[in-house]
Amino acid sequence: GAVVSQHPSRVICKSGTSVKIECRSLDFQATTMFWYRQFPKKSLMLMATSNEGSKATYEQGVEKDKFLINHASLTLSTLTVTSAHPEDSSFYICSARDPGQGFSYNEQFFGPGTRLTVL
Amino acid sequence: KNEVEQSPQNLTAQEGEFITINCSYSVGISALHWLQQHPGGGIVSLFMLSSGKKKHGRLIATINIQEKHSSLHITASHPRDSAVYICAVRINDMRFGAGTRLTVKP
Repeated sequence: GAVVSQHPSRVICKSGTSVKIECRSLDFQATTMFWYRQFPKKSLMLMATSNEGSKATYEQGVEKDKFLINHASLTLSTLTVTSAHPEDSSFYICSARDPGQGFSYNEQFFGPGTRLTVL
Repeated sequence: KNEVEQSPQNLTAQEGEFITINCSYSVGISALHWLQQHPGGGIVSLFMLSSGKKKHGRLIATINIQEKHSSLHITASHPRDSAVYICAVRINDMRFGAGTRLTVKP
């Protein structure tokens, strides 16, 4: 299967700082990438859909000015948590869609996740 | 009511047992995914289904579109299968079930 990487895997920051998380598709071009967050013992929640070269589409209740998403190339999307607060502490996961996977229009490959802790 | 319901929420089995995890959804979908999340958080996509049945090793996934139901089966379960299994459906975006925490004891 296709490989998606995330960096960093863990980050601890002070309240008020901004944190950038990178999501890369390593062996395919991803026209669409997705960002999720997961609270402890909770299910994944889709935050936004990121299409290369256009603005991200945010889910209801997700602050676009708080969670800045940039999909500047077909292999890289970034999520920046601006002015982070302790309640932003969560596990952030990206996934990428590989349109080359046959019928797998809906096939998604997940990154390993980034654990953010805001002190 | 959640759009995606999984059962059971928790499941403990002895090594070698046959495992079934169920997923029901309430809306029309274009595809259903079964995901495996390991204790460290990493997620692996196991299957994507739009109809019928798929098999990969000891894992089998089935879907019945008319009944809006899917099952994930694990044959000859092993402790390394211990993980959270998540059902997700694609509507316009992805909707996730709450997950089934599987523990397989040696």
